[in-house]
Amino acid sequence: AQSVSQHNHHVILSEAASLELGCNYSYGGTVNLFWYVQYPGQHLQLLLKYFSGDPLVKGIKGFEAEFIKSKFSFNLRKPSVQWSDTAEYFCAVNAGGSTLGRLYFGRGTQLTVWP
Amino acid sequence: DAGVTQSPTHLIKTRGQHVTLRCSPISGHKSVSWYQQVLGQGPQFIFQYYEKEERGRGNFPDRFSARQFPNYSSELNVNALLLGDSALYLCASSVAGGDSEQFFGPGTRLTVL
Repeated sequence: AQSVSQHNHHVILSEAASLELGCNYSYGGTVNLFWYVQYPGQHLQLLLKYFSGDPLVKGIKGFEAEFIKSKFSFNLRKPSVQWSDTAEYFCAVNAGGSTLGRLYFGRGTQLTVWP
Repeated sequence: DAGVTQSPTHLIKTRGQHVTLRCSPISGHKSVSWYQQVLGQGPQFIFQYYEKEERGRGNFPDRFSARQFPNYSSELNVNALLLGDSALYLCASSVAGGDSEQFFGPGTRLTVL
């Protein structure tokens, strides 16, 4: 079965600091990769996605992620975080075959940004 | 346009009871997926339906069942509730299932006492 690992459970940063959240997955075939964000009191929203092509993908609000196939990783980055980025971030994988359509999520990383 | 809607918002049940959760997808979306999110964990896949047929089932017991109606709305049913069923139940809709982008609703918070 596919699994997704997020290395950091809670990250605390000051505004303007750079952010990198790690995500690794275990699946040897073709995958689609996602980062979702859940702001306090709001529902899950898609930040960015990778299906194919350029492994560096850009999402909303200045976020980007890099797919490194050899490392089975899809790390999320932002050069300068803002207080409004405080939220929980989830990495998710959609594999093919019989499990196509199922999203497998990591356990999430809570990001707290201090003003 | 309205997003994915779920009802009720919150629900409190006791062990052994059953519960029905409802989901209305985004207009034009024909696929609905259900996820369970236990506190401190990421969402876990329960079911996916497309065009009223089950397209996938996660590792959940038979106490969990679902269906999709002709208008593409969906119900998730859980029988013989256990304390461990307490969670946020999320519904996501997509245009066509498969690898289509999934849009999530606000969830139903179920508490089992």
